[in-house]
Amino acid sequence: TQLLEQSPQFLSIQEGENLTVYCNSSSVFSSLQWYRQEPGEGPVLLVTVVTGGEVKKLKRLTFQFGDARKDSSLHITAAQPGDTGLYLCAGTSGTYKYIFGTGTRLKVLA
Amino acid sequence: ETGVTQSPTHLIKTRGQQVTLRCSSQSGHNTVSWYQQALGQGPQFIFQYYREEENGRGNFPPRFSGLQFPNYSSELNVNALELDDSALYLCASSSAYEQYFGPGTRLTVT
Repeated sequence: TQLLEQSPQFLSIQEGENLTVYCNSSSVFSSLQWYRQEPGEGPVLLVTVVTGGEVKKLKRLTFQFGDARKDSSLHITAAQPGDTGLYLCAGTSGTYKYIFGTGTRLKVLA
Repeated sequence: ETGVTQSPTHLIKTRGQQVTLRCSSQSGHNTVSWYQQALGQGPQFIFQYYREEENGRGNFPPRFSGLQFPNYSSELNVNALELDDSALYLCASSSAYEQYFGPGTRLTVT
C-alpha cells in the first residue's frame, strides 16, 4: 500500500519566518503535486514535479522532488499570513490513482 | 478558478437515505475523479471515470457508485448513507499529470 507521510502536521509561525514541509514515502512516484486548501474549499494545485531532483520555484515557494522520486519538500521563505492553509502533497505512479498525504496545517501570525 | 464546478455546496441527509452529487469538469478534460475528505484529513480516492467508463476504484464499498456523461460531467451516488459518510466530497478533472479540484460538496449525515 502506498502511503505519503507529511511532517510536521501542524506549524504555527510568525510572519517573516521561513519553513519547510516534508512529504515522504517508501514508494516511487512518477509525479508529485503540492496543493493548498482553504477551509471549506477544494485543494488548489500549486506545482507538479515529475523528474527526480527537480526544483521548482513559485515566488516565495520552492518545491523539490527527491532524486529517488520517493520524497518531496516545500520551502516557504518569509511567510505571510496569506500563506495560512492546509498544504497537501499527492503522488501518482502513472495510474489513475492519486495518493494524498496527511496534510500540514500552517498558520502564519501577523 | 479551476473551471470545475460542483453541486450542491451543502447537503444534509438522514442515515439510510440516498444522495447524488454532481460535477462539471474543466473544458477539455475527459477524466474525472471523486474523493472523500473527512475533517482534518487528506482526500481519499473513491473512483475515477475516463470517457464514461470507471477507470479505477479506491477502498470504498459498492454503495458508492458513479456515472460520467458524454459531456464528461459526472455524478457520485451514495446509497444507504451512514454517519461516517459525513465529509467534504471533492471532484477533480485531470489532464496528463495534473488534476484540478472543484470547491466540493459538504455532506452531513444525521
